[in-house]
Amino acid sequence: DADVTQTPRNRITKTGKRIMLECSQTKGHDRMYWYRQDPGLGLRLIYYSFDVKDINKGEISDGYSVSRQAQAKFSLSLESAIPNQTALYFCATSDKNSYNEQFFGPGTRLTVL
Amino acid sequence: LAKTTQPISMDSYEGQEVNITCSHNNIATNDYITWYQQFPSQGPRFIIQGYKTKVTNEVASLFIPADRKSSTLSLPRVSLSDTAVYYCLVGDAWGGGYQKVTFGIGTKLQVIP
Repeated sequence: DADVTQTPRNRITKTGKRIMLECSQTKGHDRMYWYRQDPGLGLRLIYYSFDVKDINKGEISDGYSVSRQAQAKFSLSLESAIPNQTALYFCATSDKNSYNEQFFGPGTRLTVL
Repeated sequence: LAKTTQPISMDSYEGQEVNITCSHNNIATNDYITWYQQFPSQGPRFIIQGYKTKVTNEVASLFIPADRKSSTLSLPRVSLSDTAVYYCLVGDAWGGGYQKVTFGIGTKLQVIP
């Protein structure tokens, strides 16, 4: 089984809808991250969490919120989806002592019409 | 946060050694250099990390000169399956204050038959 899983893998939704992307990990890592990837822009950090009670904004947090329900689960929500949030979303984890070595999930391809 | 500069794209024939150089002129004393590989529609995968001189693992080698203002990822005898985007990251890897690692757009390596 994969160490970092994301659900759903693909999602098409309409403008204004609320969407939740979920991430689970079995690596036992404290740190979890959400990124989005757009063609030509690389990966950009949305939110990150160092433990269950810790939530931090990344460089592009506007329009997104997160929830760290447990050490193993980190969810990303789009409160009111808009077309420019169409992107590939990745969840990642890292050990607290080595956050440059991040382990990524398979990604969620989100399309907002 | 140290900024990195790497070529946008490179082509190489199968069987050749590929060297991808990354510049990071304002690297800090506590920063490590980390490289990731990303295949299309997959999350990035950690390849190698180093602080100075040379690091080698089963996938690649990382060469870092004494001034640490640049680094070179070396892939021996590439095959078609090495076609991917390669990211160079610089940051404080071992805690003591989190620096948001920035992936940038990476170097797209195309291996030609």
